[in-house]
Amino acid sequence: DTGVSQDPRHKITKRGQNVTFRCDPISEHNRLYWYRQTLGQGPEFLTYFQNEAQLEKSRLLSDRFSAERPKGSFSTLEIQRTEQGDSAMYLCASSPPRDRGPGELFFGEGSRLTVL
Amino acid sequence: GDSVTQMEGPVTLSEEACLTINCTYTATGYPSLFWYVQYPGEGLQLLLKATKADDKGSNKGFEATYRKETTSFHLEKGSVQVSDSAVYFCALPNTGNQFYFGTGTSLTVIP
Repeated sequence: DTGVSQDPRHKITKRGQNVTFRCDPISEHNRLYWYRQTLGQGPEFLTYFQNEAQLEKSRLLSDRFSAERPKGSFSTLEIQRTEQGDSAMYLCASSPPRDRGPGELFFGEGSRLTVL
Repeated sequence: GDSVTQMEGPVTLSEEACLTINCTYTATGYPSLFWYVQYPGEGLQLLLKATKADDKGSNKGFEATYRKETTSFHLEKGSVQVSDSAVYFCALPNTGNQFYFGTGTSLTVIP
């Protein structure tokens, strides 16, 4: 049983560098989500894909953040010119097709970013 | 806007004690309600859910009842175990495709 996988699990970078995270969802899931979680807080929505289309983006997603899902399978989240405030756990989740609205989310273990 | 307010922790209980973690929500309409759990070193996973008012979700001995009149979805367990030590998140979806999560309640169960 292959769940949602994320890579890398940990990334330490210097301020100003670019970083990219990858997410491989469960294979039959057409919906993919990125969330950000900081210490002591719940996950905050960043963006949502249905197949390859990015349908929703949070106001939290500044211009330095870009996400793609080019073939409707894996997704990447890139942060350019990282800042210390970007330090967080970046969570990917996927869910199967539904007629409407979100169903259960299946989360990966997350990619922890530390910006020095 | 839609939101959830969750009881703050951390919570420390002895094994076999009763657990209640409070969650109240603000929402347009009557969304489904969820509890997610995050065990140490693992990703979040669904614990239970309820899709309409008066529904009771249950799993692994945990229960939560969707109460429209008090806009609550409190998580309960009659007898906790050490293996229940985790962080618990209340969550609700909006009318689009976003989930709003509470801040999480850390539970530690001591033998």
